[in-house]
Formats: sequence, C-alpha cells, structure tokens
Amino acid sequence: NAGVTQTPKFQVLKTGQSMTLQCAQDMNHNSMYWYRQDPGMGLRLIYYSASEGTTDKGEVPNGYNVSRLNKREFSLRLESAAPSQTSVYFCASSDPPGGYGYTFGSGTRLTVV
Amino acid sequence: KNQVEQSPQSLIILEGKNCTLQCNYTVSPFSNLRWYKQDTGRGPVSLTIMTFSENTKSNGRYTATLDADTKQSSLHITASQLSDSASYICVVILKSGGGADGLTFGKGTHLIIQP
Repeated sequence: NAGVTQTPKFQVLKTGQSMTLQCAQDMNHNSMYWYRQDPGMGLRLIYYSASEGTTDKGEVPNGYNVSRLNKREFSLRLESAAPSQTSVYFCASSDPPGGYGYTFGSGTRLTVV
Repeated sequence: KNQVEQSPQSLIILEGKNCTLQCNYTVSPFSNLRWYKQDTGRGPVSLTIMTFSENTKSNGRYTATLDADTKQSSLHITASQLSDSASYICVVILKSGGGADGLTFGKGTHLIIQP
C-alpha cells in the first residue's frame, strides 16, 4: 500500500545507547517530517526536510539528528538516548510543505530505560 | 503564541449516539483547519480539511463546521460505531506558504464508544 513506512515499530533502549529510526515514503513527496507524541501533549515537530538536501530544526530538536538520504527516505538518530526521549515518534510527508496530502506513518514506540 | 485548544479531553458515549467535539484556535493568519482521526497504535489519518471560506464539510458520518470569525470548529459524529473509538486531533495551518512549522496541533479528544 502507498504511504509512509516506519521501522522499527517498537524499541527499548538503555540510557546512553544510540539508534536510528527509519522512514520511507512512496508518494514522491518533497517534504518529510519527524514528530514526537507524548501523553497529554499534541504532536511536536522535531525536524523537517522541505526538500531533498535540506533539513531544518523544529520545535524540539535537542538530542536528535536527521538525514535526508534521498527523496524517499528521512531518518532520525538518537546519539545518546535519555529517558526523556521515551515517546512515540511519527514520520510524515507532504507536497507541498504542509500541503493537503499530509500523510503520517504508523509510528515507532520508543522506551528508554 | 499560536494555540489550538480541544474539548473535552475525553468522552464516553453509547454506540448509536451522536457527539460533538470542539476546537478553538488562536492561529493567525489562518489558512486551513483539519481534523484527524488517530486509532490506538496508529498514525493520524485526515478526516476533513476546511479553508477559510468553508463553513461545513462532511465525510460520511463525520461533519466538521468552521466559524472563522470566532475561531471555532466542531466535529460532529452521527450514529456512532465502535470503530469510532479513537483520538480526534484538530490541526490549524498558518497562512505562511505552508511551511513545515506552520502546523499547530491540538492535544486531541479521546473518544470511547461503548456497546
């Protein structure tokens, strides 16, 4: 099915470990985004990539890095995981930025112990 | 600061009943407003998108209304079904060329439909 695919779906990390969350879309969208969703809070933008080759910080970028590998793929890296990064992470894509075709992946549930 | 407030935080109704969810926003200038449905363990899925000039938009048993003057929107669900149990998120988009940081998300209303 067309859409946004995230891997893994679940992950448990120990404090200080690193990992990369993967995201791929097959809708030929130019823009891709990473959000985190915490209980009692709305989705918050971590990083986004308006087009291939560009990335920009969102509302909560600290502790994260991103790579726009190509037009399809946008990865999120935690270099040294902290318990405060326990959250559900969503990738999204759209064209144009913020456009009506805004589509979310199914999420990665990350627990840092 | 641009904000989106949703009410109630949670709601429990019986199957077959109707319900209305509220969204108030302070986002300005306004481009469009969207309602998303988020099932447990899934990503949000778009239900409706309304521009400044639209007052009402329907998607099956879901009807969204918008009053741009009072900056209020509602989502009405008719003849609820068990599959309507989900979180409903209101999202307001700035009229700034649609930049990635121009989306403001509400915290959502958690709806539970009981048999």
